Formats: sequence, structure tokens, C-alpha cells
Amino acid sequence: LAKTTQPISMDSYEGQEVNITCSHNNIATNDYITWYQQFPSQGPRFIIQGYKTKVTNEVASLFIPADRKSSTLSLPRVSLSDTAVYYCLVGDNFGNEKLTFGTGTRLTIIP
Amino acid sequence: GAVVSQHPSWVICKSGTSVKIECRSLDFQATTMFWYRQFPKQSLMLMATSNEGSKATYEQGVEKDKFLINHASLTLSTLTVTSAHPEDSSFYICSAPDSGAVNSPLHFGNGTRLTVT
Repeated sequence: LAKTTQPISMDSYEGQEVNITCSHNNIATNDYITWYQQFPSQGPRFIIQGYKTKVTNEVASLFIPADRKSSTLSLPRVSLSDTAVYYCLVGDNFGNEKLTFGTGTRLTIIP
Repeated sequence: GAVVSQHPSWVICKSGTSVKIECRSLDFQATTMFWYRQFPKQSLMLMATSNEGSKATYEQGVEKDKFLINHASLTLSTLTVTSAHPEDSSFYICSAPDSGAVNSPLHFGNGTRLTVT
């Protein structure tokens, strides 16, 4: 199972761009990289997913280098409402080893 | 988008009683659902994988006789915490992929906060 490592916490000011990096040195060929956001007392919410290179949607960008051993979630111009825990998951839904949540990164946005 | 509804959102029960938590996929069929437990300030821990029409697969250390899972239809999975004790107090969350694709993102319910007194 591709174990993931993320910073435990990060702080940023409103309006800044925030980059959260996840290390996954043992990523397998079939594994995808998916990021989720969780607010207190709520279930996680899908943010973005990628396999290689760069993916962008309306809320974030995901950068994946060629070796795929890490990935970076980029949140442009964060606001207070982006304060949450962000999880990086690596794998697939139906593999022999299920997707496992790591520690996640607790992002705090400062006004 | 795909929606997973979880009910109840919170429940308080007395020690020794059983509690049932429902997880429904509202606009898609979910042949597989996942159940997690989350303690305060901690990450989600996978408890079991629920498969429609077959027995659930439990993670190591999770008592299958205590946490009964039933997935009788393509849109409903239930988790029953039997003979609940205070140490079972936690936040329980379900999720489901909205397709059979290996990279289908997971859609999560809003969780159930269980408090056992």
C-alpha cells in the first residue's frame, strides 16, 4: 500500500496561494492520487484527482512530477472558508489493499 | 453530483443498547460502500467494506459481531453497533464510489456522531 506523508499542519493568510505536498514513495503503476477536504463534524469532500502531470479544476490544481512519488495540491487565493483538513489518498478503490487515510494536513487560514 | 445520505447525524444511546446507522446513495447505485470511524483530532480509520448481496469484509481488529453490516440493496448499507459501550462513542462515516472504475472518487456521507452514555 502506498503510504502517504503530509505536513501535520499549515497556516496561511487570506488571499495567498497555498501548496500542500504529499509524499508517496511506494506508489504503484495503477494508483491514482486523490485529495479530499474535511470540515469539522462532516464527511470528507472530493477536491481533485490525478494520475500524472497537472490537473486543474474550479477549486484547485494538482501537480504530479514524472516519478509520481509526490504530489502538490495548490489552492489559489485561499479564504477563511478553506480552513479544513486536507487528505491525500493514493491507490484505487478495488485493489487488494484499500485506500487508507493518512494523518492529513490541518490548514488554518488567518484573516 | 453523486450524493450519499447518512442517517442519523447524531445519536445518544445507553450502554448495552444497539444503534443502527443508515447510508444511502441517492442518485447512483453503490455495489460497494466503505465504513469508517473517526475519533476527535484523528484521521479516518477504515472499519469495513460493504458489498451488496454478500458479506462485508472487516479490517483487522474490527469485531464483525459487534459492528454488523448489511448491504441488502444497491442504494442502502447499514451499520449496527451492537451492545454499545462508551468506548464506541465516535464519528462514523460511510462512503461509496459512484462507479466501478478503479479511480472513481469516493462520495462521503456527513457522518453520524454516536455518544454512548
